Amino acid sequence: QQQVKQSPQSLIVQKGGISIINCAYENTAFDYFPWYQQFPGKGPALLIAIRPDVSEKKEGRFTISFNKSAKQFSLHIMDSQPGDSATYFCAASKNDYKLSFGAGTTVTVRA
Amino acid sequence: GAVVSQHPSRVICKSGTSVKIECRSLDFQATTMFWYRQFPKQSLMLMATSNEGSKATYEQGVEKDKFLINHASLTLSTLTVTSAHPEDSSFYICSASPRAGFGGYTFGSGTRLTVV
Repeated sequence: QQQVKQSPQSLIVQKGGISIINCAYENTAFDYFPWYQQFPGKGPALLIAIRPDVSEKKEGRFTISFNKSAKQFSLHIMDSQPGDSATYFCAASKNDYKLSFGAGTTVTVRA
Repeated sequence: GAVVSQHPSRVICKSGTSVKIECRSLDFQATTMFWYRQFPKQSLMLMATSNEGSKATYEQGVEKDKFLINHASLTLSTLTVTSAHPEDSSFYICSASPRAGFGGYTFGSGTRLTVV
């Protein structure tokens, strides 16, 4: 049973547009919520992460929004570029222990 | 920054043979290492967690006698797929952490295993 539900499965966005990926979790003990970017044939790379004591975190063009009461968090990619085309995974962990991953979202940015 | 080196990146082996995959933390001591398996267009599935100097903890459904994990030093963990079969063909990825239990520090670049 997947502990973190991720949507959409895939999305296409025009260059310069905004990509939004959503995740929901059930386990209220989760206290660390990272997002990973993965290119084909490579391991995931940490993009940005958030703790539940803040509602938003921004790093460059990437922003995490976190809604603790709704048990949801999302990744916004602003000014999407063709180089952002990749698979994105949300994840969650408890006490900084092993991660539960979402199913992944394949983002395609059209030039 | 923290770098995890995984080797080999690709390996093809014959059915029935064993294959060893290495995961090294290059600039930090990895108290904990995680091994994942990923099928095409799917998410990462945690196989096992290893802490340096102790036996690995395997996830439910993962055969510990088939997937041998050794974490003998703070910079090296190995995964050995024993008596490999075509269904073991997959993308294997390690993740290393500088402190016990932390699950998302740095991932290796992955190993594509093909069993023929």
